[in-house]
This record gives sequence, structure tokens and C-alpha cells, in this order.
Amino acid sequence: DADVTQTPRNRITKTGKRIMLECSQTKGHDRMYWYRQDPGLGLRLIYYSFDVKDINKGEISDGYSVSRQAQAKFSLSLESAIPNQTALYFCATSLGRDTQYFGPGTRLTVL
Amino acid sequence: AQSVAQPEDQVNVAEGNPLTVKCTYSVSGNPYLFWYVQYPNRGLQFLLKYITGDNLVKGSYGFEAEFNKSQTSFHLKKPSALVSDSALYFCAVRDIATAGNKLTFGGGTRVLVKP
Repeated sequence: DADVTQTPRNRITKTGKRIMLECSQTKGHDRMYWYRQDPGLGLRLIYYSFDVKDINKGEISDGYSVSRQAQAKFSLSLESAIPNQTALYFCATSLGRDTQYFGPGTRLTVL
Repeated sequence: AQSVAQPEDQVNVAEGNPLTVKCTYSVSGNPYLFWYVQYPNRGLQFLLKYITGDNLVKGSYGFEAEFNKSQTSFHLKKPSALVSDSALYFCAVRDIATAGNKLTFGGGTRVLVKP
């Protein structure tokens, strides 16, 4: 969905490096989410944010941090990347508790 | 706790034949149910959702899903599959009573439609 953009789309990094994934949306939604996708495991929630001042941990938040810089921007950081964080990362947005809409994803490889 | 099971890793179907992708769920209260599709190198696209009302839900691209409360199922169906329907399909559930809007996803089912 072009209304939700993610940068970069692909990233290869080394163990121990800090990396930031960015998400922007033009849908005017208040809620934003970060998920990771691993084969056979579906998508798992890392963090979610109801608004700029309200950030919550998901089911797999260890090793990750987030920042909601504005209503339209939500960044995910890996302070010290490790190989098992290699995955496909998705940002999603919703208006309240309505349907979530996803960005195109960022493929992250940690060597 | 809420959970979703997609019992089939892959479904193979011939073009023109009916397509069914199975999903069962578990929630403590009433469910909101969703289907998403992921095409290669693309994000997840919303297909349809069940909130309340009619058990048969119609969505995008000719897909529909039937909510069955007694069997706790929400199977995705398409009467006549197309080769372009080949993709990865995810079922997701949210308990109406859950704070926030946390979705729980199944592991995904890969659909391969052969010409």
C-alpha cells in the first residue's frame, strides 16, 4: 500500500551494528505497529503506538526499541543487531481499532 | 490469550477449481477475524474481515470467508482460482475485549494455482 512506506527496503548489516528502520504513513491513522515475519511463524508484534506519547511493547520487544517522532512516523531500532534478528519487518497503521494496513516491508539480514 | 492455526503449509489447486484456505482460531471472548494476502516481494494486503453480522463475508478479488462460531473457523474461499491468486495467505484474529488492536497471525498458507 503506497500510503505506508518503509525505508530501507533491503539492508545487510553486521553483528553488533546499530540499525534503524523507518516507517511513514499518509493515511492519517493514529495507531502504528511494527511486526517481524519469519517463515512458518506468521507475523509477530514487536511494538505498537496509539499516538506520539503512547508506546507499548508487543510479544517480542527484547532487543528492539522504537520512536514515534510524529503521528505519521514510527521508527524501529536495533541497538546491537544479532543474526537471529534476520527477518522481514513490516510496519502497519490503523485508525483506532479498525483494520490494519501494511507497508511493503524491509528485508533485514544480519551477518 | 488468542491464537490462530492454519493447518496447511501449502495448498495446490488447478486454475478454475475452487480454492479453500483453512483457518481456526481461539479467543476468550468474541473474535474479529481477518484475511491478508502477501504477493512475492510485497507487503500484506487486506482481503476481508468479519466483525459481526452475516457469517459469509465478501472481500477483494472475488474472495469470501465463512465465519463458523461452533467450529471456531474462518475459512477463506474462492469459487474459481486464478494463477494470479498464487501467494501467501494469512489469517489473523483479535479478541474484541483485547486492549489496543493487537492481532495474532497464523503461520501462513502458501497457495499455488497451476495453469
